[in-house]
Amino acid sequence: DAGITQSPRHKVTETGTPVTLRCHQTENHRYMYWYRQDPGHGLRLIHYSYGVKDTDKGEVSDGYSVSRSKTEDFLLTLESATSSQTSVYFCAISEAGFGGYTFGSGTRLTVV
Amino acid sequence: DAKTTQPNSMESNEEEPVHLPCNHSTISGTDYIHWYRQLPSQGPEYVIHGLTSNVNNRMASLAIAEDRKSSTLILHRATLRDAAVYYCILIEGSNYKLTFGKGTLLTVNP
Repeated sequence: DAGITQSPRHKVTETGTPVTLRCHQTENHRYMYWYRQDPGHGLRLIHYSYGVKDTDKGEVSDGYSVSRSKTEDFLLTLESATSSQTSVYFCAISEAGFGGYTFGSGTRLTVV
Repeated sequence: DAKTTQPNSMESNEEEPVHLPCNHSTISGTDYIHWYRQLPSQGPEYVIHGLTSNVNNRMASLAIAEDRKSSTLILHRATLRDAAVYYCILIEGSNYKLTFGKGTLLTVNP
């Protein structure tokens, strides 16, 4: 989507390796979010940020950490990837929280 | 988080209007009503949102009941490209997080 990009788009990694996914926005929005989507579970919030260096946990945050050192970048790190973290990861941005959210195209991560 | 209830699936014919219902009986006064859709193999896409009054945009209309306990997303003329999962979500006024339910799978028949 315009104004938000995720990288990489696809990644295959081995169990136990660290992985970092990047979400980059050009909209200067305050709020940024990381979701994962799995069959049978739908979209679930992992972590979110409400400003530079201001982050909080979502409903499925175990095994994940995030960082936001600049307004435009929100990084999601899997410190030691496990097969249960195989999923499609979506980043989202929002200016005021109650306005429309814009989602990225997703990162398909496979942990083997 | 406030909860919404939507039918699991609905079917429509191309070029006909579609009314997608959503119940949110526990909504509070500061909760915004959001609608998103997700096409196959894509990320969710914002459709429309509102607080109390009905809203229109180029994609759809949102009709909100007077007591705000339900809302309806209206697609005025369904196309094959409108086939998607539609999510009705409440955003609490002080908690800016989208919590997704299972949504409604809309099938559009040619």
